[in-house]
Amino acid sequence: QKEVEQDPGPLSVPEGAIVSLNCTYSNSAFQYFMWYRQYSRKGPELLMYTYSSGNKEDGRFTAQVDKSSKYISLFIRDSQPSDSATYLCAMSDGGTSYGKLTFGQGTILTVHP
Amino acid sequence: DADVTQTPRNRITKTGKRIMLECSQTKGHDRMYWYRQDPGLGLRLIYYSFDVKDINKGEISDGYSVSRQAQAKFSLSLESAIPNQTALYFCATSDPGLAGGPHNEQFFGPGTRLTVL
Repeated sequence: QKEVEQDPGPLSVPEGAIVSLNCTYSNSAFQYFMWYRQYSRKGPELLMYTYSSGNKEDGRFTAQVDKSSKYISLFIRDSQPSDSATYLCAMSDGGTSYGKLTFGQGTILTVHP
Repeated sequence: DADVTQTPRNRITKTGKRIMLECSQTKGHDRMYWYRQDPGLGLRLIYYSFDVKDINKGEISDGYSVSRQAQAKFSLSLESAIPNQTALYFCATSDPGLAGGPHNEQFFGPGTRLTVL
C-alpha cells in the first residue's frame, strides 16, 4: 500500500462548480501537507500548504487536514477553466535533516466552459 | 529567467544508450532532487543531494546515477537506457531556511520528456 493515496481521476466539471480533491495517508508522522498544481508541460508549483490539522483558505481555494482520519482535502470554489491542471498532494514529516516530500498520484482536473 | 532549468526538454534515445539529463538553478539552494513522473504513479524520488558532497538514493535509484558538480548543478545519468525508463523527469530544489513558506517547499524545473525506444 502506498503511503499517500490520491484518486487520479480524471475529473471533469463545468465552470463554476465546486471541486473536491482528496488524499489519504498512512504515516502518522506527517506534519506538513501541501497541494501542488501542475499545468500541462510544466513543473509542479506549490499552491497551498497546511501545518498539522485545520483549515486554510486562500481566495477560491480551501485546504483541510484531518489528522485523526489521515485525510486531506482541497476545495476549489467557482472553478474556472484556468484551474484545469493536475493537482498533487504532498506530505512531509517536517524533519529538516531530510526534507523529503511524499507525493500522491495526482488528480487530473478539467474545468470546461 | 527561470530559476530551475533542465536540458534537454525532450529526448528520444535507443535502448542501451547512455543519457545525461542536466539541471541548473540560480536560486542558491543547497538541496536538489531528481524525480520521475509516470501516469497514475505521481512523482517518485530517484536521488537527492543536500550539498555538493552529499548524494543519497531515493526510492527508485536502480539504473540511474547522479553527479553534483557544483551547488547549482545536478545531473542525472541513465547508464544503459531501457524502455521502462520512458517518463517525465523533474529536477527540484529546496531551502529549509526559506522564510514565508513550509521549510521543505520544493521548486521544480520544467521537466525533461525522455523516450527510450
